[in-house]
Amino acid sequence: ILNVEQSPQSLHVQEGDSTNFTCSFPSSNFYALHWYRWETAKSPEALFVMTLNGDEKKKGRISATLNTKEGYSYLYIKGSQPEDSATYLCASPNTGFQKLVFGTGTRLLVSP
Amino acid sequence: DTEVTQTPKHLVMGMTNKKSLKCEQHMGHRAMYWYKQKAKKPPELMFVYSYEKLSINESVPSRFSPECPNSSLLNLHLHALQPEDSALYLCASSQAGAYEQYFGPGTRLTVT
Repeated sequence: ILNVEQSPQSLHVQEGDSTNFTCSFPSSNFYALHWYRWETAKSPEALFVMTLNGDEKKKGRISATLNTKEGYSYLYIKGSQPEDSATYLCASPNTGFQKLVFGTGTRLLVSP
Repeated sequence: DTEVTQTPKHLVMGMTNKKSLKCEQHMGHRAMYWYKQKAKKPPELMFVYSYEKLSINESVPSRFSPECPNSSLLNLHLHALQPEDSALYLCASSQAGAYEQYFGPGTRLTVT
């Protein structure tokens, strides 16, 4: 059974701080790694889907890297803003690209 | 239209009731998904439909009955649920053969 783990569980930073979180996944039989942002009472929003070792993706102040050989991905937020407050989930497909297995998420709170 | 809609937003039902959750998308996606999320846990995949046919059932109890009447609609029929079935039920869709999934905001279900 695929095990996707995220750390830290929660994070509280001040506006303007840069931060990063980790997603760990088994490196064997790797398909893809997804990052989602989930604000309270809203739909989870896809940030990135990464498939290749060494992939780096960027969307505004948020970027992600992928290391499939060692089984981890980092998500970075530069200059955090209060609107970045959300739960950040990573997920990886298990035995088929449609069967996403999610990590427990990192809950980020950015204070003004 | 890049939205997945879900109705109702909230549902309270007794253990003897029959109710249905509805999910709709108009992005032309041919894969649709049901997930269940309990508090402080990650979303867990329940069912996947591909081209209106059930392709994945993650050993979900028969009191949950999915239905995909057309390529835009996905229903989840509920009957004789237990209090432990109380959770947030998320719907998602994706292009056939694509990794990225688009999520709805979920239906918060309480079984009394």
